[in-house]
Amino acid sequence: DAKTTQPPSMDCAEGRAANLPCNHSTISGNEYVYWYRQIHSQGPQYIIHGLKNNETNEMASLIITEDRKSSTLILPHATLRDTAVYYCIVRDRTGRGSTLGRLYFGRGTQLTVWP
Amino acid sequence: DGGITQSPKYLFRKEGQNVTLSCEQNLNHDAMYWYRQDPGQGLRLIYYSQIVNDFQKGDIAEGYSVSREKKESFPLTVTSAQKNPTAFYLCASSLRDRGSEQYFGPGTRLTVT
Repeated sequence: DAKTTQPPSMDCAEGRAANLPCNHSTISGNEYVYWYRQIHSQGPQYIIHGLKNNETNEMASLIITEDRKSSTLILPHATLRDTAVYYCIVRDRTGRGSTLGRLYFGRGTQLTVWP
Repeated sequence: DGGITQSPKYLFRKEGQNVTLSCEQNLNHDAMYWYRQDPGQGLRLIYYSQIVNDFQKGDIAEGYSVSREKKESFPLTVTSAQKNPTAFYLCASSLRDRGSEQYFGPGTRLTVT
């Protein structure tokens, strides 16, 4: 089962930062926070992941609270092509837990970027 | 280019027929996965394989079968026993299970009437 809670939808103006929240209050010490996105009728695309430190790559930044119970994905300058469903997933990356590193996709957040 | 291919993009079948969905990858990944997605829902795991000639059931394996005879191929058969086969089917692969990021194919939309 998905262990995360995300708002069903958000919107953002083109060129502005999109901040997508995710709650994962039951996250355990072995579990990482992953973000994927899915553009309509395509396969999901990996964005970023992190354990407890903030992470940044060419696509986005991930901010994880100190207690690790929530995180925020930041798209610094959203474009129309960022319109997609964004999935926040907690995952036991070590593979030693009962979930064996599986990805559990919830319903995600539909982000709409408008001109 | 390296990647995952699924064919065809759209597939139509009559009820009662078995149908096989193709998934091929040239990323030299060990693990492969099949997911199903229904409208407005997240992805649900059907089957996964960590190595050639080995595979495990996911959360919704009933009515489906797979094979993993080659590292690069992981076909999924939707049998007539699957009660609601109409869905969007996604294949993914990763370097190895448990730790690596999964890369997804473009998907096959199956419609059974």
